[in-house]
Amino acid sequence: IAGITQAPTSQILAAGRRMTLRCTQDMRHNAMYWYRQDLGLGLRLIHYSNTAGTTGKGEVPDGYSVSRANTDDFPLTLASAVPSQTSVYFCASSKTPGVGANVLTFGAGSRLTVL
Amino acid sequence: GQNIDQPTEMTATEGAIVQINCTYQTSGFNGLFWYQQHAGEAPTFLSYNVLDGLEEKGRFSSFLSRSKGYSYLLLKELQMKDSASYLCAGVDSNYQLIWGAGTKLIIKP
Repeated sequence: IAGITQAPTSQILAAGRRMTLRCTQDMRHNAMYWYRQDLGLGLRLIHYSNTAGTTGKGEVPDGYSVSRANTDDFPLTLASAVPSQTSVYFCASSKTPGVGANVLTFGAGSRLTVL
Repeated sequence: GQNIDQPTEMTATEGAIVQINCTYQTSGFNGLFWYQQHAGEAPTFLSYNVLDGLEEKGRFSSFLSRSKGYSYLLLKELQMKDSASYLCAGVDSNYQLIWGAGTKLIIKP
């Protein structure tokens, strides 16, 4: 793999179900992020991790959790999915957080539909 | 509050020039990014400006005026493959990205 791999690409699930979106990067980037993208809105940060072992809440963290056990993996879990979590989810990474020119590399996205 | 404004949609003709504007209000300022996103794909980095002025990269240029809270992306010699959404994002004092909703650019032959 090269860059960021997200899985699944697309998923439909019933409300109330638990779901984990997977994200793996092979660039040895320190920081990783989860965003959601909804029509008419800018990308919104859900959770982030500046380095392995640490995580932080973004703009819209409610209903989501993350872990960062190692540098490469940053899974996003929806404990009990609700229809408002229907969205396209992007995982991203960057080499150095906390600097202005912090270019993000994005995964291809996971399209999630909650019925 | 923090806010990024950019037009929702623009249309231009193949071979022409188009300017996509972005105005920003952020708590502090540590630069401004432009990303390109083709439909159904991931955003990809285009440019970063932190100082006033124009930065040119081939057919694409990005301009910043910090005093006016304003940036634009200039695309020259438009090609059909430039049809995409262009995302403007400001970096605030905590180095968090504040994203605009994106400008969908439609290129017509």
